[in-house]
Amino acid sequence: QKEVEQDPGPLSVPEGAIVSLNCTYSNSAFQYFMWYRQYSRKGPELLMYTYSSGNKEDGRFTAQVDKSSKYISLFIRDSQPSDSATYLCAMSKGGNQFYFGTGTSLTVIP
Amino acid sequence: GAVVSQHPSRVICKSGTSVKIECRSLDFQATTMFWYRQFPKQSLMLMATSNEGSKATYEQGVEKDKFLINHASLTLSTLTVTSAHPEDSSFYICSADSGRAINEQFFGPGTRLTVL
Repeated sequence: QKEVEQDPGPLSVPEGAIVSLNCTYSNSAFQYFMWYRQYSRKGPELLMYTYSSGNKEDGRFTAQVDKSSKYISLFIRDSQPSDSATYLCAMSKGGNQFYFGTGTSLTVIP
Repeated sequence: GAVVSQHPSRVICKSGTSVKIECRSLDFQATTMFWYRQFPKQSLMLMATSNEGSKATYEQGVEKDKFLINHASLTLSTLTVTSAHPEDSSFYICSADSGRAINEQFFGPGTRLTVL
């Protein structure tokens, strides 16, 4: 069993839609939860970072962590074509080692 | 701030040759840098952790004699793929730990390696 599971998609939505991206994990030791955006042939860019359970909002992006269910989500409101990318979840126990999901490919159609 | 660069962005080489990839933190010092490999439609897999002035720590299954890592300064780490084979073709990405906050890693743009 992988430590982090993420549906690879692809996910295609119309412009303006609300997008929900999710990851599940098996290791209860994970304390830090990150979402990265990766454009084609580019390195990942940190979008959101959450410690432990709860919600965090930044503009059109909201990250949610439910440690009891070992489930994290990223919501994108009013999605734009420029949001089209691959979204990677990542987790860590507090050290430098990150555990990444496989990434979900998102396309926002104008 | 917190920009990480990689060079080259793309390289094509013949089987059996060696390829060096550079990772630089441009506006901060990074005591720790990380090297990842990403195959198409797969996640980033950590290959090794590179600490300035000491030997790299390799993940299980990664051949340290094949993937040579040198972290010569606080702003530069290099990955050399020795005697490259077609199965080494992949997207290699480095990241650097700024040390300013827990879990703050900044990623480079990646290097696409194709071995013919």
